[in-house]
Amino acid sequence: DVKVTQSSRYLVKRTGEKVFLECVQDMDHENMFWYRQDPGLGLRLIYFSYDVKMKEKGDIPEGYSVSREKKERFSLILESASTNQTSMYLCASMGGQGHNSPLHFGNGTRLTVT
Amino acid sequence: AQSVTQPDIHITVSEGASLELRCNYSYGATPYLFWYVQSPGQGLQLLLKYFSGDTLVQGIKGFEAEFKRSQSSFNLRKPSVHWSDAAEYFCAVGAMEYGNKLVFGAGTILRVKS
Repeated sequence: DVKVTQSSRYLVKRTGEKVFLECVQDMDHENMFWYRQDPGLGLRLIYFSYDVKMKEKGDIPEGYSVSREKKERFSLILESASTNQTSMYLCASMGGQGHNSPLHFGNGTRLTVT
Repeated sequence: AQSVTQPDIHITVSEGASLELRCNYSYGATPYLFWYVQSPGQGLQLLLKYFSGDTLVQGIKGFEAEFKRSQSSFNLRKPSVHWSDAAEYFCAVGAMEYGNKLVFGAGTILRVKS
């Protein structure tokens, strides 16, 4: 089974802090994704990566950046956390050729920015 | 632009009753369709997927879904709901033309009453 591990289950940060959310997958998947989940909005794609050092913006990249230095690890960075970034963050990986392969999700990181 | 609509935010059914969760999509291409389930405090788990072929697909936990191109729908069904099915359900759509990106619906929260 694919395992996607997010390093923190809960995080509380202060406004203006730089925040790192870490995600590791163990199935040698090329594609990795960061989503945020908010009630009534479903999942919205922040950034994704289809290879090491490659990244593409998703639908809501503002205020975020990402890093993929190794194939198994995909980090989401909040350069200066704001209260409107309080949310559940989900990491996912996808193997195969993409587009018709399923996503494998981590258990999420619930971030609160005060 | 592609979009996914789940018209029902909440649904409550009695244990043992049948279930249908609705999903409609708007895509300019042949879609790949997915249903995911999220139990409280967990990440998303794939229930089933449709790529091509038989329009009625079977998934895990006794779920099935039917792709109806004429109605742009991919509704999820289960003949007899169990209390453990209480969760949030997400429909997602992708297409080769859009690469590895999936678009998710807003989700439907299922409550099961005994």
